[in-house]
Amino acid sequence: GIQVEQSPPDLILQEGANSTLRCNFSDSVNNLQWFHQNPWGQLINLFYIPSGTKQNGRLSATTVATERYSLLYISSSQTTDSGVYFCAFNDMRFGAGTRLTVKP
Amino acid sequence: NAGVMQNPRHLVRRRGQEARLRCSPMKGHSHVYWYRQLPEEGLKFMVYLQKENIIDESGMPKERFSAEFPKEGPSILRIQQVVRGDSAAYFCASSATGNTEAFFGQGTRLTVV
Repeated sequence: GIQVEQSPPDLILQEGANSTLRCNFSDSVNNLQWFHQNPWGQLINLFYIPSGTKQNGRLSATTVATERYSLLYISSSQTTDSGVYFCAFNDMRFGAGTRLTVKP
Repeated sequence: NAGVMQNPRHLVRRRGQEARLRCSPMKGHSHVYWYRQLPEEGLKFMVYLQKENIIDESGMPKERFSAEFPKEGPSILRIQQVVRGDSAAYFCASSATGNTEAFFGQGTRLTVV
């Protein structure tokens, strides 16, 4: 099956900093989504982005299907951005996640 | 349009009992996915169902676990003869088709005592 690598596995930021999270795939994928699992365990949809670029406030995402990666950008991070960020692909298969901690 | 509904939110079972977890997909969604999550770990895929069909159950343990998604009613994840190691959060997600955006329920926290 297709392998996915999410990087970095852990990230600690000071409030206000920017960050880039990445998913690399071993083969072409479709149906790419990004989710945020908040500290209470809730899984929140961020982007459905099989290809191209989307923006929503301080967050944006880019998927380059031909290059087999997707990026999630978080600008001006806030403490409420803390949690785990997952990418999902194909039949909703998940990467291991990036654990983000934003410190005040 | 209600979101994905899972119930119960919390379930406590004694070792050896059965656990039934329910997932009602969003209106118009006919695809359901189940995951297990241990504390501080990622989402482990269990099974992918379409109404009345199991599409992929490669992540499901061979024994004691089963899943169904009948023509009418919610999807059910059934765990027979639960053991302490089954204690986890179980999430389901639904989508309209296999290639559209999926949404998660709030999860069921199963505790086996």
